[in-house]
Amino acid sequence: DVKVTQSSRYLVKRTGEKVFLECVQDMDHENMFWYRQDPGLGLRLIYFSYDVKMKEKGDIPEGYSVSREKKERFSLILESASTNQTSMYLCASSFRGISYEQYFGPGTRLTVT
Amino acid sequence: SQQGEEDPQALSIQEGENATMNCSYKTSINNLQWYRQNSGRGLVHLILIRSNEREKHSGRLRVTLDTSKKSSSLLITASRAADTASYFCATDAFAGGGNKLTFGTGTQLKVEL
Repeated sequence: DVKVTQSSRYLVKRTGEKVFLECVQDMDHENMFWYRQDPGLGLRLIYFSYDVKMKEKGDIPEGYSVSREKKERFSLILESASTNQTSMYLCASSFRGISYEQYFGPGTRLTVT
Repeated sequence: SQQGEEDPQALSIQEGENATMNCSYKTSINNLQWYRQNSGRGLVHLILIRSNEREKHSGRLRVTLDTSKKSSSLLITASRAADTASYFCATDAFAGGGNKLTFGTGTQLKVEL
């Protein structure tokens, strides 16, 4: 079974803190993705990566950065957390190419106070 | 921007009834996928339909795709309480060096005993 794990289920941080969200997949997938999910807005893509050290901006990259140093690991970084970044963060991975499904992690619910 | 828009936003039915959810999108697609999300969890892939397919079945699921109308429907037959979840459509498009999905805002399905 494909497994995508995220470092925390729940996280509480203060405004201005630097926040790291980690995602690891064990299926040798080339693609990895970070989404945020907010009520009424569905899932919105923050960043994705199709290879080690490669990254592409998604629909809402502002305030976020990413790192992919190893194929199995994709990190989302909030350089200076703000209250409007309180959200559910979902990581996913897939094989590269069309017609491949994405496998999701369980999500990290981040609260910034 | 949201590529997929689901309709209705919420649906409540009795166990044993059929549930139909619709998805509309705006641009050309390679394929359309449906995902399920149980409360507070990650998404799980249900079914993928390619742009040259019109209908696909998987167990109690039936998906149709009308590319001329840019719409898709997901039918769950003989629903069960365990089908209670949010359902999302997602359209696939190439972006940069890889492919990415754009998700709709979802339909919340509640199946009552």
